Amino acid sequence: DFQMTQSPSSLSASVGERVTITCRASQSISNYLNWYQQKPGKAPKLLIYAASSLHSGVPSRFSGSGSGTDFTLTISSLQPEDFATYYCQHSYTTPPLTFGGGTQVEI
Amino acid sequence: EVQLLESGGGLVQPGGSLRLSCVVSGLTFSGYAMTWVRQAPGKGLEWVSGVTGSPDDTYYADSVRGRFTISRDNSKRTLYLQMNSLRAEDTAAYYCARDLVLGDGRWDFGYWGQGTLVTVSS
Repeated sequence: DFQMTQSPSSLSASVGERVTITCRASQSISNYLNWYQQKPGKAPKLLIYAASSLHSGVPSRFSGSGSGTDFTLTISSLQPEDFATYYCQHSYTTPPLTFGGGTQVEI
Repeated sequence: EVQLLESGGGLVQPGGSLRLSCVVSGLTFSGYAMTWVRQAPGKGLEWVSGVTGSPDDTYYADSVRGRFTISRDNSKRTLYLQMNSLRAEDTAAYYCARDLVLGDGRWDFGYWGQGTLVTVSS
C-alpha cells in the first residue's frame, strides 16, 4: 500500500502570499496524484488531478507539479476564500487509495 | 444540476448495521467508478471502498473489509454501502464520490455528495 505524507500539517499565511504544500509518496506513483480543498462542514472539492491538471472551474492561481514520489501544490496569491484544509490523494489504478494527512491553511 | 445525495446515516449501537445510499442526478452514473470516503470528527479523509464502472470490481480499506459491502444499481443511479458489525471507530461523515473520467484507470474523485453522518454509540 502507498503511504502519503503531507507537509506542513498547518501553516499561517496572509492574503496575497505564495503558498506551497508538499506531498511525498512512499513509492513511485508516476503522476497518479490529486489535490483537494475542504472547508469546515463541507465536502472536499477536487482542485488538481494527474499531478498538474487543473479541474474545471478551479482558479488558475492553483497549480500542481511533481512526478514519482514528490509533489507540490502551489497557490500563487492566496485569497480569503482559500483558507481551508488541503489533502493529497494517490489515484493509482488498484486500491486501497490513500489520502495525505492534510494541511490546514490559516490566516 | 449535478447532485449526489447521500442518505441512511444515523445513530446505531455497536454491533449494529446501517445501509447508506447515494443517488446521482445530473451526471452519468453507469460506467463510472464510484467510491465512499469518510471523515471522523476533527480528523482527515479516509478512503473506505470503491467500485469500478465496468466490470463491477469492488475494493475495501483494511479497516472495513469483511464488514462493509459496496454495491451499485445502475437502473436506479444509486450507490450503496452496507455496513455491518459497526464499531465506535466507524463514527464519521460518509461521502460518496464519482470518478472524473470514464474508464481511464484512475481514481479521481471529481464529484462529491454533501455527506451523511454515522454515529456508533450505546
